[in-house]
Amino acid sequence: DSGVTQTPKHLITATGQRVTLRCSPRSGDLSVYWYQQSLDQGLQFLIQYYNGEERAKGNILERFSAQQFPDLHSELNLSSLELGDSALYFCASSVAPTVVAYEQYFGPGTRLTVT
Amino acid sequence: GENVEQHPSTLSVQEGDSAVIKCTYSDSASNYFPWYKQELGKRPQLIIDIRSNVGEKKDQRIAVTLNKTAKHFSLHITETQPEDSAVYFCAASSAGGSYIPTFGRGTSLIVHP
Repeated sequence: DSGVTQTPKHLITATGQRVTLRCSPRSGDLSVYWYQQSLDQGLQFLIQYYNGEERAKGNILERFSAQQFPDLHSELNLSSLELGDSALYFCASSVAPTVVAYEQYFGPGTRLTVT
Repeated sequence: GENVEQHPSTLSVQEGDSAVIKCTYSDSASNYFPWYKQELGKRPQLIIDIRSNVGEKKDQRIAVTLNKTAKHFSLHITETQPEDSAVYFCAASSAGGSYIPTFGRGTSLIVHP
């Protein structure tokens, strides 16, 4: 158990719908990262938050958004869902990276299926 | 941006053999290279990492080597066991990239008993 929690574990929804994925980082970790893992694209970085502020952005679609709340949990919102959004979504957390890289701890993931 | 190539995509070995997975990266500024193991349906877990100020790091049956000049790094697993079967991902990151890892496409390691 990494200490990172994600809910829900599985999500099945229809095209055009909107869903929210939730992540709670390890105690003491200020940084939260979101990744999308699909068979054809591998593990892709979406977005990072540090202590409530957006820190870095990756290949995140405009239909996707995220935020980190004062209690440091984070939510990833996916809207106007398409079949291609079906994937495993991971959240990871780390101590705030500064000039040294820190290990990222991954949550168990949320499997999203869009039908 | 950074680009990480990983080979092979699939590696099949007999129990007790060694396994080697190789990665190359493109950004010479990259200085942190973690390796993750992901079992089927599970989360990626860090198994070993190396920073650019060292050329090799070992942890029991696992070792990683880094060649900064050639911009490649490798994972070596000795005396493989069936429980080593998983997908292994290499990654590269740098301070300029906020240490966001760029992952390789993964290697599916199958260890036959």
